[in-house]
Amino acid sequence: DAGVIQSPRHEVTEMGQEVTLRCKPISGHNSLFWYRQTMMRGLELLIYFNNNVPIDDSGMPEDRFSAKMPNASFSTLKIQPSEPRDSAVYFCASSLDRDRPYFGPGTRLTVL
Amino acid sequence: TQLLEQSPQFLSIQEGENLTVYCNSSSVFSSLQWYRQEPGEGPVLLVTVVTGGEVKKLKRLTFQFGDARKDSSLHITAAQPGDTGLYLCAGAGYSTLTFGKGTMLLVSP
Repeated sequence: DAGVIQSPRHEVTEMGQEVTLRCKPISGHNSLFWYRQTMMRGLELLIYFNNNVPIDDSGMPEDRFSAKMPNASFSTLKIQPSEPRDSAVYFCASSLDRDRPYFGPGTRLTVL
Repeated sequence: TQLLEQSPQFLSIQEGENLTVYCNSSSVFSSLQWYRQEPGEGPVLLVTVVTGGEVKKLKRLTFQFGDARKDSSLHITAAQPGDTGLYLCAGAGYSTLTFGKGTMLLVSP
């Protein structure tokens, strides 16, 4: 299995622009997670889907962030408009068991 | 909110030394996990401990879950440069996993 696939691996954009991060989970996994990692705050859960349905989005910072999972093999995290404080590494993870996530390689986002 | 505090935040040692890193909380967890994250990659699960007082060994790594299931430690014997990375603990509670901020370990040859 190829593991969790994320794209792009790096994104540099300017403040105010829309950013879309993409994730393909491991085939057969029924849970998908979006995390954000920064030096200051560590690894934070943004949103958790189970069977393509958002279960817990309490970690989504504000209305500028949105996530979708239109089918079992694809999810997006969108930031519109982006701000410099959104700069971080964003990880997608998938799992069969809620407590056993497999992480992708991450997308390093820089907002100038 | 369940919080996990990891210490130390950063540890730099020479190859061959032993070390212990800690993960502490005021909350009880049903299980606790340890991950290692290498630069440019996502965290990879090393071990899950479930029972209070449980000890698990993975080659030179020894993991212990506290009796009250609120804390854990990771001991590395004879550290090697390949052990370099960010070590994260994560607790499983009523919701999804809660991660600590990690201990960055640098092992120099």
